[in-house]
Amino acid sequence: KAGVTQTPRYLIKTRGQQVTLSCSPISGHRSVSWYQQTPGQGLQFLFEYFSETQRNKGNFPGRFSGRQFSNSRSEMNVSTLELGDSALYLCASSSSGILYEQYFGPGTRLTVT
Amino acid sequence: AQKVTQAQTEISVVEKEDVTLDCVYETRDTTYYLFWYKQPPSGELVFLIRRNSFDEQNEISGRYSWNFQKSTSSFNFTITASQVVDSAVYFCALSEGGNAGNMLTFGGGTRLMVKP
Repeated sequence: KAGVTQTPRYLIKTRGQQVTLSCSPISGHRSVSWYQQTPGQGLQFLFEYFSETQRNKGNFPGRFSGRQFSNSRSEMNVSTLELGDSALYLCASSSSGILYEQYFGPGTRLTVT
Repeated sequence: AQKVTQAQTEISVVEKEDVTLDCVYETRDTTYYLFWYKQPPSGELVFLIRRNSFDEQNEISGRYSWNFQKSTSSFNFTITASQVVDSAVYFCALSEGGNAGNMLTFGGGTRLMVKP
C-alpha cells in the first residue's frame, strides 16, 4: 500500500502571499489530520477532517484553513503568510475510527521570506 | 487540558548501550491513548506504539520496550542494545477520548544520538 503523500515537498513564499498544501492519505483511510512543526513550538495540531467534515480544530488563527474532498484527499491553505508560518507541515491519515494509529507523510517544508 | 512532557531534550549514547526515554503526561480524561513516534532526519514521523489507558501491561517489541505506569502518569520507552540507526528524534503523544477525534498532543521530543 502506498503511504501518505504530500505535495509539494518544499515551498518558498513571500510574506503576505497565500499557499495551498496537498495531502493524499493511504488508500481506504478517511481521516486526515494536519500538524505544524517548528523548532520553537514543536508539533502542534492544526485540524482534522473526516468524511469531508472538520472534526477537530487546533488553536490556530483563521488564516489557516483546510478541506477534504470526497476521495479523502485534503488541502490546507494559509492566507496572508507571516514569517512565523515557516515550518514543516505534516499530514497524517488514519482509518475510519478514532484513536487509531496515524500514519504521517514526509511533510511540506514551507519557508516564508 | 492535556500536556505531554519529555524532560530529556537530547541523549547521547554509544552503540550497544541501553537507553530510556522518559514521557510524563497530564490529562483529566479517564480514557486516553498514548503513542510513541520516531522522526528520523528525513522528517517523516514513524508510528511505534499505541497504548490505551486501561491497559497497563508493558510491551516488548524486539529491542524496544515500553513501561506504562498510570500511578506516575508516565509512559517510558527503552531501547536495548542501541544501534546507530536508532538515532532520531522520538516523540511521545497523547490523545484523549470523547470528542478529541484523532487529535494528538505531542511532547517536545527527545533527540537520541547513538555513536558507533
